[in-house]
Amino acid sequence: QQQVKQSPQSLIVQKGGISIINCAYENTAFDYFPWYQQFPGKGPALLIAIRPDVSEKKEGRFTISFNKSAKQFSLHIMDSQPGDSATYFCAAKGNTGRRALTFGSGTRLQVQP
Amino acid sequence: NAGVTQTPKFRVLKTGQSMTLLCAQDMNHEYMYWYRQDPGMGLRLIHYSVGEGTTAKGEVPDGYNVSRLKKQNFLLGLESAAPSQTSVYFCASRNQGGISETQYFGPGTRLLVL
Repeated sequence: QQQVKQSPQSLIVQKGGISIINCAYENTAFDYFPWYQQFPGKGPALLIAIRPDVSEKKEGRFTISFNKSAKQFSLHIMDSQPGDSATYFCAAKGNTGRRALTFGSGTRLQVQP
Repeated sequence: NAGVTQTPKFRVLKTGQSMTLLCAQDMNHEYMYWYRQDPGMGLRLIHYSVGEGTTAKGEVPDGYNVSRLKKQNFLLGLESAAPSQTSVYFCASRNQGGISETQYFGPGTRLLVL
């Protein structure tokens, strides 16, 4: 059972455009929602993260929007650049037990010059 | 400071063979994890450890065993490899407690089982 659903599977954006990736979760016990960025042949690396007590977090061109009542969160990449071309994973972590991450299925972003 | 390292980078096995994947971290992290990454399925947790000498099952533990004899190392074993275990394996670690929840990932091991 997939607890974190991510869409779209792939995304093509023109340079300078806005990239938007969406995730929805089911488990109300999740208390930490990170986004990871992965380049080909590399391991995922933390990009930005949010906790459910805030509705938005911005770091440079990257913003997470969080809707607790809808159990949804999204990543917005402003002024998208070719260097942003990568696979993006949303994830969620529960507040008890193993404290491991449950990942979405990933979105392959391609930013065309 | 190398972070999280994994060996080997790539391996080809025949069905039924065994192997061990090694993960090492130099950040003195308590928590360590093994994930597998398959197309369209994100990363799925195989096993994890919350400290030296402790291990526990994740979402997809069948066919794998792990050991954490030293705090800095986390080993993933395949006793009898199957084609369904063809995947990219990632190790990760994180600190215990504190504000940061960041998991640091290794570069991955690509495994092909024929």
